[in-house]
Amino acid sequence: KQEVTQIPAALSVPEGENLVLNCSFTDSAIYNLQWFRQDPGKGLTSLLLIQSSQREQTSGRLNASLDKSSGRSTLYIAASQPGDSATYLCHPNSGGSNYKLTFGKGTLLTVNP
Amino acid sequence: DVKVTQSSRYLVKRTGEKVFLECVQDMDHENMFWYRQDPGLGLRLIYFSYDVKMKEKGDIPEGYSVSREKKERFSLILESASTNQTSMYLCASSPGTGNNQPQHFGDGTRLSIL
Repeated sequence: KQEVTQIPAALSVPEGENLVLNCSFTDSAIYNLQWFRQDPGKGLTSLLLIQSSQREQTSGRLNASLDKSSGRSTLYIAASQPGDSATYLCHPNSGGSNYKLTFGKGTLLTVNP
Repeated sequence: DVKVTQSSRYLVKRTGEKVFLECVQDMDHENMFWYRQDPGLGLRLIYFSYDVKMKEKGDIPEGYSVSREKKERFSLILESASTNQTSMYLCASSPGTGNNQPQHFGDGTRLSIL
């Protein structure tokens, strides 16, 4: 069974800082890995999807990397803003006949003005 | 724009009631999922379905059942609601097995059982 760990559990930074969120997973046989953002009381919004053949994916100030063999992914946020405050979750997609969505517990990010 | 729609954002029910949570997706996805999310426990899978009339138990199916009569709709049923089922419920959908497309989530239903 895939197990996902996200470190740190919570992070508080001043506005403008660059930061890195970490995700590790135990089963490296994945099709892709997805990073989500969740605002309080809301559903999950997809941020980035990295295919298993890719090393990284970028969208605006966000950059996600994937090292499948070591079971690790990072989400890099450049020049953080208060609007980035949210919980960030990663999901390594194992696919297959027992296809399930397996998530980390997330990193709660607070960006202070 | 792709969409997963959950019928209610907030719902309050009483202990012992039969509760229906509805989820509809407009992307013709094969897979649909129901999760509950609780502080400190993260997202836990209740049930999922990979085709019409097909269902699989997730990690915490006790006290719940599901129905998928049409491809676009996946219903979660609390047979006899209890206070420990107070939670945030999230529905998601995804394309067929191995497809390299993003997963999509609804906005969630905050359910309170009194």
